[in-house]
Amino acid sequence: QSALTQPASVSGSPGQSIAISCTGTSSDVGAYNYVSWYQQHPGKAPKLMIYDVNNRPSGVSDRFSGSKSGNTASLTISGLQAEDEADYYCSSYTTSNTRVFGGGTKLTVL
Amino acid sequence: QVQLQESGPGLVKPSETLSLICTVSGASVSRDNYYWTWIRQPPGKGLEWIGYIYSSGATSYNPSLKSRVTISVDTSKNQFSLRLSSVTAADTAVYYCAREGYDWGQGTLVTVSS
Repeated sequence: QSALTQPASVSGSPGQSIAISCTGTSSDVGAYNYVSWYQQHPGKAPKLMIYDVNNRPSGVSDRFSGSKSGNTASLTISGLQAEDEADYYCSSYTTSNTRVFGGGTKLTVL
Repeated sequence: QVQLQESGPGLVKPSETLSLICTVSGASVSRDNYYWTWIRQPPGKGLEWIGYIYSSGATSYNPSLKSRVTISVDTSKNQFSLRLSSVTAADTAVYYCAREGYDWGQGTLVTVSS
C-alpha cells in the first residue's frame, strides 16, 4: 500500500487559516469516511485531532476541522496560533482492512 | 482514560527478532472492542502503521511487513506484544503502541545495530 500524499510543508501567520491536504485513492480515503488527523510536536507522541473525517475528540480546539471530497481529505486550522506549529499526519482505513498514513506535513507559524 | 506503556530492549542485533510489549491500563485488551495497534517512526521520518490485533484476536498487518510481523495478546497481563523478525538497520525507529489512534504510549526507541 502506498502512503497518502501530503504537502511537505505549509506555513501561515498567527490568526490566519491554513489547510493541509491528504490525497489517497478509491481504496483508502475515497472508500470510507474513516480519515484521521494527528498532530505531533518534536519528541512527543502523536495526538489525535480529527477522526472519521470531521469529528473532534473531547478537548481538541474547534479551530481544527476536517473535510473530505472524493479521494482527498483536508485539515483546516483557523485562527492559527504559535502552539499549532507541529507536524501533521493523516491516516485512513483501506479496503484491505489495514491503515495507511500520509507522509506528514510540517506546519510553520510565521 | 486509557494509558499505554511500551517496554522492551532498546538495542537489537541485525537478523535477530525485535520484541516489544505494550501494557494497557484503563481498558481490557480482550473485552473492550478496540484495535490495539503498533506504529513506528524512523528517526526524522514519518509514521508507519505496522498492524493491529482486535479484541476478538483478529489481526491485520502492513503488507510490506507482513512476513516478519506477529502481534499477540496476553490477556492475563492485559498486554499486547509485537514481534518483528529478521531486523535490519531500516527497522530502527521509535515504536508506539496505541488504542487505535485515540490513545498512544510515549514510544520507545529501538536501534538495530551490531
